[in-house]
Amino acid sequence: VQLVESGGGLVQPGKSLKLSCSASGFTFSSYGMHWIRQAPGKGLDWVAYISSSSGTVYADAVKGRFTISRDNAKNTLYLQLNSLKSEDTAIYYCARRGATEADYWGQGVMVTVSS
Amino acid sequence: DIQMTQSPSFLSASVGDRVTINCKASQNINRYLNWYQQKLGEAPKLLIYNANSLQTGIPSRFSGSGSGTDFTLTISSLQPEDVATYFCLQHNSWPRTFGGGTKLELK
Repeated sequence: VQLVESGGGLVQPGKSLKLSCSASGFTFSSYGMHWIRQAPGKGLDWVAYISSSSGTVYADAVKGRFTISRDNAKNTLYLQLNSLKSEDTAIYYCARRGATEADYWGQGVMVTVSS
Repeated sequence: DIQMTQSPSFLSASVGDRVTINCKASQNINRYLNWYQQKLGEAPKLLIYNANSLQTGIPSRFSGSGSGTDFTLTISSLQPEDVATYFCLQHNSWPRTFGGGTKLELK
C-alpha cells in the first residue's frame, strides 16, 4: 500500500488549492478514504471521508468550503480547498479505510495559508 | 461530537519500563478505538485497532485494552525506538475524533 500526496503550497487567505493523493498497491476503488490534517506542532484533526461509492462526510470546520472526491480510473483521491483561512494551515494526510479505520497513511503535504 | 481525552500529555520513562497511556471517550464508543504512533517528521502508523487487536508487523510489546469509554495502550518494555507521540482515534461515529496525543520520551 502506498499513498502519495501532492499539490500543497503557500496560498493567500480566501484563495483555493487542490490536493491529490495517488494510491497504489491495493484496489483503490474498493476502499473508503480519509483526509486528516495536523497543524504545526498540534494533534490530528479529521477533515473528510469518501466511501467507495462516493458518499461523503465532512468535519464542521470545513463543511461548505472543502470538497472530497475520487477518480477510480486514476487511483487518485482529491481534496478541493476553497475560501482558505489561516487556521487551515496544516500537513494534510490521506489515509485508507481498510480492514479498520485509517490503516495506511501517506507522508502528508503541507498547506500554508498566509498573506 | 465525541470528545477524546488522552492522558498524560507528556511521559518520560526509562528503557525497559512498562508504559501506559489512556484515552477516555465522552460517550460509549464500544471497542471502536485505534492507537497510532507518530515519530518526528513521519506519518502516523497504526498500532492497535478495535481497542485490542495488534496490527500486523507491530511488536508484541504493544497491547491495547478497554471498551465503552475507557481505553489503555500499554508498552510492556519500553525500547529506544518507541520514542514518539501516540494518538487514539474513535471510529464509532462521525465526525471521527482523535485524542490530543501523548509525547513519550526517554528518561
